[in-house]
Amino acid sequence: GNSVTQMEGPVTLSEEAFLTINCTYTATGYPSLFWYVQYPGEGLQLLLKATKADDKGSNKGFEATYRKETTSFHLEKGSVQVSDSAVYFCALSDSLIGSYIPTFGRGTSLIVHP
Amino acid sequence: GAVVSQHPSWVICKSGTSVKIECRSLDFQATTMFWYRQFPKQSLMLMATSNEGSKATYEQGVEKDKFLINHASLTLSTLTVTSAHPEDSSFYICSARDRLGQGGPDTQYFGPGTRLTVL
Repeated sequence: GNSVTQMEGPVTLSEEAFLTINCTYTATGYPSLFWYVQYPGEGLQLLLKATKADDKGSNKGFEATYRKETTSFHLEKGSVQVSDSAVYFCALSDSLIGSYIPTFGRGTSLIVHP
Repeated sequence: GAVVSQHPSWVICKSGTSVKIECRSLDFQATTMFWYRQFPKQSLMLMATSNEGSKATYEQGVEKDKFLINHASLTLSTLTVTSAHPEDSSFYICSARDRLGQGGPDTQYFGPGTRLTVL
């Protein structure tokens, strides 16, 4: 079956530090990959996505590249802000299994200090 | 575009009562909506998939008689927690897929969630 593994948090950084949140996946088909962000007390917001190998998704300074050879989709940002503090979920959606129903990782909490 | 709302955003109820949560797609039609449950500091657990005009498909281990899902129109799905108990307290999140495939067939738009507390 499909699965997503994220690095455990919390990740604690100072403002303007570089961020990496690791995500690896297993899938039987050719999944699309996603990063979602959840701010406290809110639902999930799509942050970025990539639909095929070597695609790079980007949004709001965040980037992630679909690496099929390493089955990874690590999230990066060059300079984090306090407002980036949230929980980040990596997910995949596979057309072969579950008709695009996503599989989520456990989430990684990011805390950014001023 | 692609906004999903949930109502109420939070609810407190007594044990044994039923609670209805609404999920609406505001600016698009959703043939498929999903209901998730999220425990504190954990990931989302898919409870069921609902398609407009048909019965919901529940995930293994989810009691369909306890969590009633109705998807009566292309913009509205409801989740009713029947005879709620404290262990049903959780954060419930819905998502919707655009009938026209906005964002791609694999894209879901999430509601803001409903915090249910059962006393």
